[in-house]
Amino acid sequence: QVQLVQSGVEVKKPGASVKVSCKASGYTFTRHGISWVRQAPGQGLEWMGWISVYNGKTNYAQKIQGRVTMTTDTSTSTAYMELRSLRSDDTAVYYCARGFADFDYWGQGTLVTVSS
Amino acid sequence: DIQMTQSPSSLSAFVGDRVTITCRASQSIINYLNWYQQKPGKAPKLLIDAASSLQSGVPSRFSGSGSGTDFTLTISSLQPEDFATYYCQQSYNTPRTFGQGTKVEIK
Repeated sequence: QVQLVQSGVEVKKPGASVKVSCKASGYTFTRHGISWVRQAPGQGLEWMGWISVYNGKTNYAQKIQGRVTMTTDTSTSTAYMELRSLRSDDTAVYYCARGFADFDYWGQGTLVTVSS
Repeated sequence: DIQMTQSPSSLSAFVGDRVTITCRASQSIINYLNWYQQKPGKAPKLLIDAASSLQSGVPSRFSGSGSGTDFTLTISSLQPEDFATYYCQQSYNTPRTFGQGTKVEIK
């Protein structure tokens, strides 16, 4: 069965960076891209961007472009999302999800708290 | 960016009721519209893609319709496990954008 398993809770200070991992299993990793979606506490869903696992091509939301880098490691079937220069409004649950148009499988989410 | 507006933002209904949630796009998205269900503390679950295509394993009481700018998610007979927040999402272009969500509560 398809599974996306994310890394654990992170607490960071403003200005720091965070790198969240998403390990995929149950399907051929290179056949599907990975999107990242975040959800601030009590708020809706915000798409952050997407990476093609096949060729590494990325498409980032303009709002965070310049602060985000998405990568993959095909040897371990793991996707990564690094967000830099963290601010308090980056506090959210970060999800990885399979797909670019629609998102048919999701990780369990990683809570990132940014606080001084 | 394409703005997605859902209505209502919340609703209360009885088990067995027919429930309709609407989603309006700020421009035509043809049928590039997906629906998700999210329960508290859980990741969203894809219910419907391409406006009306039910995902495998999703109960047939869920249905989607619409094209262009106006879309609808209907639950024909609300069940206890359907109390959740529902989101629409456009996949016409990037950035992918979601509606603000509709919370379905027990009456």
